[in-house]
Amino acid sequence: SQKIEQNSEALNIQEGKTATLTCNYTNYSPAYLQWYRQDPGRGPVFLLLIRENEKEKRKERLKVTFDTTLKQSLFHITASQPADSATYLCALENSGYALNFGKGTSLLVTP
Amino acid sequence: DVKVTQSSRYLVKRTGEKVFLECVQDMDHENMFWYRQDPGLGLRLIYFSYDVKMKEKGDIPEGYSVSREKKERFSLILESASTNQTSMYLCASSLWTILRDANEKLFFGSGTQLSVL
Repeated sequence: SQKIEQNSEALNIQEGKTATLTCNYTNYSPAYLQWYRQDPGRGPVFLLLIRENEKEKRKERLKVTFDTTLKQSLFHITASQPADSATYLCALENSGYALNFGKGTSLLVTP
Repeated sequence: DVKVTQSSRYLVKRTGEKVFLECVQDMDHENMFWYRQDPGLGLRLIYFSYDVKMKEKGDIPEGYSVSREKKERFSLILESASTNQTSMYLCASSLWTILRDANEKLFFGSGTQLSVL
């Protein structure tokens, strides 16, 4: 069966450090992978999309890598800030009609 | 910016009641989705619609139905609410169909926290 796995344990880091979140998948052949941010009591908000032929993508302090051989994406936040504290979700296209989401990893950045 | 509006942030209903969750998007998007989100289970797709009056089942459609009479509005209906339908319900939309060759992203509403007592 198809699976999208993200670290279930919360990630606690100090302000200014780089946060790295992992998304692993099985039984998908995705053309792209997406990352979303979700704050408590709110809907997810789209952050980045990376295509299968792109190894790396950057947006301001965010960097995403995509390794289709390892079936893994890494999501990095450099120079992290307390405002980056949230849950981060990765998502894959499912048979061309919707997105399937991982369960998300909670990030807490402390001053 | 795209706005997806869900009519209620919090809703409390009784077992057996018929419940309507409303969602409206203002950017002429073709596709609309209903997910539910539960701790430890993540986001799960209930139903989606790719056109007016068109609907498709997602992964967990049992106990739900949907209605899309107008392009901008997508309603989720719980015919007879049960306690296991207590959840956060999230509506989303996308401009086009989520295809392999497309770069479509989802725009979510703020969610409706439904409690069924």
